[in-house]
Amino acid sequence: DAKTTQPPSMDCAEGRAANLPCNHSTISGNEYVYWYRQIHSQGPQYIIHGLKNNETNEMASLIITEDRKSSTLILPHATLRDTAVYYCMGGKLIFGQGTELSVKP
Amino acid sequence: DTGVSQDPRHKITKRGQNVTFRCDPISEHNRLYWYRQTLGQGPEFLTYFQNEAQLEKSRLLSDRFSAERPKGSFSTLEIQRTEQGDSAMYLCASSLLGGSVNTGELFFGEGSRLTVL
Repeated sequence: DAKTTQPPSMDCAEGRAANLPCNHSTISGNEYVYWYRQIHSQGPQYIIHGLKNNETNEMASLIITEDRKSSTLILPHATLRDTAVYYCMGGKLIFGQGTELSVKP
Repeated sequence: DTGVSQDPRHKITKRGQNVTFRCDPISEHNRLYWYRQTLGQGPEFLTYFQNEAQLEKSRLLSDRFSAERPKGSFSTLEIQRTEQGDSAMYLCASSLLGGSVNTGELFFGEGSRLTVL
């Protein structure tokens, strides 16, 4: 079965970089990695995705290992509004359990 | 762009009753997904459609659950003979298909919260 795993929680100081890891060891070679975040029980919102190369957009950066079995979402300068649950989708439409990120002043 | 809309937002029902949820995707999106989410857990995949064809169903989708997308636009998810364990948030998402295994960015609705008493 497809398996995507994430640490349950992380803390980050405001203004510092938040690095959120995800393991997706069963991802197929042509499946993309997607990251979403969820705030206050709203529906998840898209952040970024990638296949093999590192990606960056206005919200975050995504680092994917060469073997594609894991990735890291980077929020370069975390703000209090980044406090949320972050989900990785590592293939087969399967979400991880999410990492609850707490950004502290 | 009205986004993905779901109805009802909240439903309270008694065990054994049938419930139906509706999802209206973003109009040009050809893929539609249903997920279930319980408190403190990530969304669990249930099923997805490409246009009107149901392409995949999770083992979580017991025979009490049925989903349809009759004209390739809106979708319904029906739960028959509800059980207390069905209490959850039911999330709908849509996307515009990219490659065969690239789902494209999923746009989620606000969800339909079901409480079974």
